[in-house]
Amino acid sequence: GAVVSQHPSRVICKSGTSVKIECRSLDFQATTMFWYRQFPKKSLMLMATSNEGSKATYEQGVEKDKFLINHASLTLSTLTVTSAHPEDSSFYICSASQGDSRIYGYTFGSGTRLTVV
Amino acid sequence: GDSVTQMEGPVTLSEEAFLTINCTYTATGYPSLFWYVQYPGEGLQLLLKATKADDKGSNKGFEATYRKETTSFHLEKGSVQVSDSAVYFCALATNTGNQFYFGTGTSLTVIP
Repeated sequence: GAVVSQHPSRVICKSGTSVKIECRSLDFQATTMFWYRQFPKKSLMLMATSNEGSKATYEQGVEKDKFLINHASLTLSTLTVTSAHPEDSSFYICSASQGDSRIYGYTFGSGTRLTVV
Repeated sequence: GDSVTQMEGPVTLSEEAFLTINCTYTATGYPSLFWYVQYPGEGLQLLLKATKADDKGSNKGFEATYRKETTSFHLEKGSVQVSDSAVYFCALATNTGNQFYFGTGTSLTVIP
């Protein structure tokens, strides 16, 4: 089945530094990938839609300059948290669909636990 | 707009108890419906799905039937195990396939 690989699984960084999270579709091409943020005991919050070869589409309230998204190829999207602060600490998850989402649904990465100290 | 409403948790059951997690939806046209499971510290995994009315999705002893007349997709399992402890998300893909909506998640804890 479709596999989405997300790295790193955990990262601890200092305030003010930047962190890059990678999301790869391993056995299919994805023109669109999605980035979510999940707070403890909460549902998923869609942050942005990553579009291969074009700019990402951000949800209302998500800072574009803080959460930089690059989708340079059909199998890789990256989320960079710039100038990280403790309030950016969260669980970040990416997803992609191997085809029509009505048939396949979405495949999720295993998530990245970001802790900013 | 399209949306998914999921029963509030948390739910705590004893091993071998019957499980129902309610999910209802609002949608234009004919969406596809999904249940995802998230184990602690992990991403979401597709548990089961149904793409049209009256379809029944099933996997690992879990079942859900797409009921258009009641706009529901309730998750059921006849006998839960401790290993079923996780958060369960109901989700909907719109009939155009362009949007995907999640419920708020229901935390299930199964105690021995």
